[in-house]
Amino acid sequence: NAGVTQTPKFQVLKTGQSMTLQCAQDMNHNSMYWYRQDPGMGLRLIYYSASEGTTDKGEVPNGYNVSRLNKREFSLRLESAAPSQTSVYFCASTGLYRGEPLHFGNGTRLTVT
Amino acid sequence: QKEVEQNSGPLSVPEGAIASLNCTYSDRGSQSFFWYRQYSGKSPELIMFIYSNGDKEDGRFTAQLNKASQYVSLLIRDSQPSDSATYLCAVSRGSSASKIIFGSGTRLSIRP
Repeated sequence: NAGVTQTPKFQVLKTGQSMTLQCAQDMNHNSMYWYRQDPGMGLRLIYYSASEGTTDKGEVPNGYNVSRLNKREFSLRLESAAPSQTSVYFCASTGLYRGEPLHFGNGTRLTVT
Repeated sequence: QKEVEQNSGPLSVPEGAIASLNCTYSDRGSQSFFWYRQYSGKSPELIMFIYSNGDKEDGRFTAQLNKASQYVSLLIRDSQPSDSATYLCAVSRGSSASKIIFGSGTRLSIRP
């Protein structure tokens, strides 16, 4: 099992460019998440999808859009990248059974110049 | 005010001692509570979860939850150098407990 797969691993963008971060899980999980991690800030929730067909804003949704394409895939789009979006992005999924942890991807390191 | 608060540290503890990590949360409707460990450059991994008031022990780790005080802690006994990492507290709330919010993490350093 691959678990949670994120692509790409690294990306450099210029200000104003757009890109989509891809995430796929093969664990049949209902819920998927996008977090960003900046030094000293822990993980901040951008958007989440509790189940296929639903998406909700997290703590820091501005500048991002998401698509829950199907049960397996949850993508994050930056329409017009800004230097403030330089961060490490983690996708995660869970079945939400009591006590089941979030399963994380390996992260995408994004730099916006 | 952040929904989940942790002291950022660093917390320095001698090898073999008990490390105590603390977390407070603001939403009384929070349902489940998690502790994750994250090594530098890696993804977080689950250490423990707890959802009932009281203590829960797993090996060298004990999680403590006090819903009245909105407080959750993690004790690490017999601390080892390999325990040096950032510890993240996470809280689930909302419908189906699907919204999972993290604190900013506490950096723990175990000195030999």
